[in-house]
Amino acid sequence: GAVVSQHPSWVICKSGTSVKIECRSLDFQATTMFWYRQFPKQSLMLMATSNEGSKATYEQGVEKDKFLINHASLTLSTLTVTSAHPEDSSFYICSARDLRGGQGYQETQYFGPGTRLLVL
Amino acid sequence: GDSVTQMEGPVTLSEEAFLTINCTYTATGYPSLFWYVQYPGEGLQLLLKATKADDKGSNKGFEATYRKETTSFHLEKGSVQVSDSAVYFCALSNFNKFYFGSGTKLNVKP
Repeated sequence: GAVVSQHPSWVICKSGTSVKIECRSLDFQATTMFWYRQFPKQSLMLMATSNEGSKATYEQGVEKDKFLINHASLTLSTLTVTSAHPEDSSFYICSARDLRGGQGYQETQYFGPGTRLLVL
Repeated sequence: GDSVTQMEGPVTLSEEAFLTINCTYTATGYPSLFWYVQYPGEGLQLLLKATKADDKGSNKGFEATYRKETTSFHLEKGSVQVSDSAVYFCALSNFNKFYFGSGTKLNVKP
């Protein structure tokens, strides 16, 4: 199957600093990547859809100025948490859509291992 | 809108027991259905999928059948192992959107 990596796997930062998380598709090109947030013992919440070469699409309630997404190439999307605060502490997971062998709007998403962010 | 409902956990089983985790969905059109597994501290791994009605997805002894008439995609395994302990997510894909169930934690005791 397709492989998606994330870096870093965990990060601790001080309140007010910005943190960048990278998501890479290692063996396929991904025109679309997704960023999720997962709270302890809960399901994944879609934050935004990252499209290569265009602006990201944010879900309702997600602050686009706080969570900056850049999808500069077909294999890399970045999520920057700007001016992070303790309430931003969470597990952030990215996924990439692999359309190889897919049919139209049906696709398989492959997930990265996640990045655990702790803001002090 | 589209949605996925799966049984609440945790589910606790003894090793070699039979596993069923129920999943039902609501969707328009013809969604694809998935089961993902999440081990502690890790991201989600695709376990199996089915793209059309009556398809059976299978992997590592797990299987699930896409039942359009009952809008279900229940996950089953004949004999669980301790290493199967994880959180299992049912999901559907439809019109470029992914929808996840709330997750079911499975604990397998030796």
